[in-house]
Amino acid sequence: QQQVKQSPQSLIVQKGGISIINCAYENTAFDYFPWYQQFPGKGPALLIAIRPDVSEKKEGRFTISFNKSAKQFSLHIMDSQPGDSATYFCAATLIGNEKLTFGTGTRLTIIP
Amino acid sequence: KAGVTQTPRYLIKTRGQQVTLSCSPISGHRSVSWYQQTPGQGLQFLFEYFSETQRNKGNFPGRFSGRQFSNSRSEMNVSTLELGDSALYLCASKSQGGNTEAFFGQGTRLTVV
Repeated sequence: QQQVKQSPQSLIVQKGGISIINCAYENTAFDYFPWYQQFPGKGPALLIAIRPDVSEKKEGRFTISFNKSAKQFSLHIMDSQPGDSATYFCAATLIGNEKLTFGTGTRLTIIP
Repeated sequence: KAGVTQTPRYLIKTRGQQVTLSCSPISGHRSVSWYQQTPGQGLQFLFEYFSETQRNKGNFPGRFSGRQFSNSRSEMNVSTLELGDSALYLCASKSQGGNTEAFFGQGTRLTVV
């Protein structure tokens, strides 16, 4: 099974807070896990990505935590800002295979 | 550097008709993938082309087809349109395989009435 399960479906966080989105995958062959951010009327844009040989990757306010044994990974957005309000998708793929398997998306709203 | 360009941005078609969508990848990118995005099913992979060859295909009926030209531009075609084909169709381009970034276009919003 090639599914990627994502939760929560929607999330409301206060400005300055931490937003956390979780994903779980089934195919242990997946070896590349990107996160995409999508604003209304736009295509998804790569935010940050990780490979399973590391447990954490940080880029600015965005951090991916990866738990290979649990087949789970999560996105943490620190100091969340109203401009972070968007839909976030986790994805998984096999390097060399261009098919991205996406999670169902999380609509994040940051309130002042 | 220009991004991924998809045309048209919006399209309204009638059931039973066919439609062709176009994608111009980023200059130098040879891999083009197509995705269907709907509120119910999310983002689903349709197919991927590299150097004019289809390398991978998702679980969509044969009414969905595509092709890639020598300049890497790609088209996808949907024949005998159904109401359920209403969706945002996204194209993504990559320079090559590996863990390089996939750049998405803004999509074509297809409405079937």
